[in-house]
Amino acid sequence: KAGVTQTPRYLIKTRGQQVTLSCSPISGHRSVSWYQQTPGQGLQFLFEYFSETQRNKGNFPGRFSGRQFSNSRSEMNVSTLELGDSALYLCASREGLRSTDTQYFGPGTRLTVL
Amino acid sequence: AQSVTQLDSHVSVSEGTPVLLRCNYSSSYSPSLFWYVQHPNKGLQLLLKYTSAATLVKGINGFEAEFKKSETSFHLTKPSAHMSDAAEYFCVVSDRQSGGSYIPTFGRGTSLIVHP
Repeated sequence: KAGVTQTPRYLIKTRGQQVTLSCSPISGHRSVSWYQQTPGQGLQFLFEYFSETQRNKGNFPGRFSGRQFSNSRSEMNVSTLELGDSALYLCASREGLRSTDTQYFGPGTRLTVL
Repeated sequence: AQSVTQLDSHVSVSEGTPVLLRCNYSSSYSPSLFWYVQHPNKGLQLLLKYTSAATLVKGINGFEAEFKKSETSFHLTKPSAHMSDAAEYFCVVSDRQSGGSYIPTFGRGTSLIVHP
């Protein structure tokens, strides 16, 4: 099976702009999660979608939003970008929502905000 | 509430010597535990996972971890380090939340440095 894919791999934006990141999960996986990774804060959970519904949400402002489509592909949007949003954004997919379900990660999208 | 503590932010070993990366967790229920590895500029790759079967779990690339409930630990070991093991390692706990869902919680990571 193909792994989790994320597009684009690199993005450069300026403050105040908005950005949309895309994630295609492994075939058959219905759950997609998003994480922000920075040197200072480590890996932080943004949100998780399952069957087009947001099931869990981390502690991020409303500028961070997401959605999931019927084919399980997911997009994440960040509006009014700030310098502190510069990070590696990781997407992970898993079959379901059980504790035993393994998350498989994509390579990430490196976002730089100038 | 669940949490994960990786006790060392950096571990430095010589090639061919044993590796020990320490992880302690807190959990209200019966957690699942994972170790992931991240090489520079790459995504995370699963090394191994514990899901309440055998307490000694074997993973890829010669790594293994032992679940010790009494010590709430899930330390990662490898008998002999290889240069290619140099990476960031994350311990993860996944447990039932109050709403009934499961959210994985990541430790802050341990950077493994391997000297020739």
